[in-house]
Amino acid sequence: NAGVTQTPKFRILKIGQSMTLQCTQDMNHNYMYWYRQDPGMGLKLIYYSVGAGITDKGEVPNGYNVSRSTTEDFPLRLELAAPSQTSVYFCASRIKKREGFYNEQFFGPGTRLTVL
Amino acid sequence: AQRVTQPEKLLSVFKGAPVELKCNYSYSGSPELFWYVQYSRQRLQLLLRHISRESIKGFTADLNKGETSFHLKKPFAQEEDSAMYYCALSAWETSGSRLTFGEGTQLTVNP
Repeated sequence: NAGVTQTPKFRILKIGQSMTLQCTQDMNHNYMYWYRQDPGMGLKLIYYSVGAGITDKGEVPNGYNVSRSTTEDFPLRLELAAPSQTSVYFCASRIKKREGFYNEQFFGPGTRLTVL
Repeated sequence: AQRVTQPEKLLSVFKGAPVELKCNYSYSGSPELFWYVQYSRQRLQLLLRHISRESIKGFTADLNKGETSFHLKKPFAQEEDSAMYYCALSAWETSGSRLTFGEGTQLTVNP
């Protein structure tokens, strides 16, 4: 298994540009998450999904959109890039085995995004 | 609401010294606590989870519900332990069983 993969690894955007960060997992996990990591701030949840067709906002969703058309893919869309979105973005996935029991979250390698 | 606090942003010790990374949480229900480690510019990896009660790479962590703490300890630090450590909380009752992370502690083990 490749686990959780993310593309691209690095990207520089100009203010106002848009882009999609790709995330794919091959572990048949039903739960997927997007986090941003800023220095000294830990990881903040942007959006999450509990299954194909179901998404919900996390702590910091403004300026982002997501979709989940398949179990494997969970792309994150930035419509109008702003300098405040300069960050490292991590995708993660997790499987719910039965009610109240969840496996650990597995993380992707991250995408380092700079908005100038 | 759930919250995780790691009071030390930076922690520096010498090789062979004991190390303790502090983590306190607030949550009214029954949380699950984790420690994740991130080596330089790599992805986060699970180090420990409280329900496993195991030792990984010499690290242990005990959940103290009375003090709402989940401190990470290692009796003899090694240089390869230098990394960013995140404490995280997950709650069954929370939609999506999201992880709430602390702000992280950067551990440096000096030779």
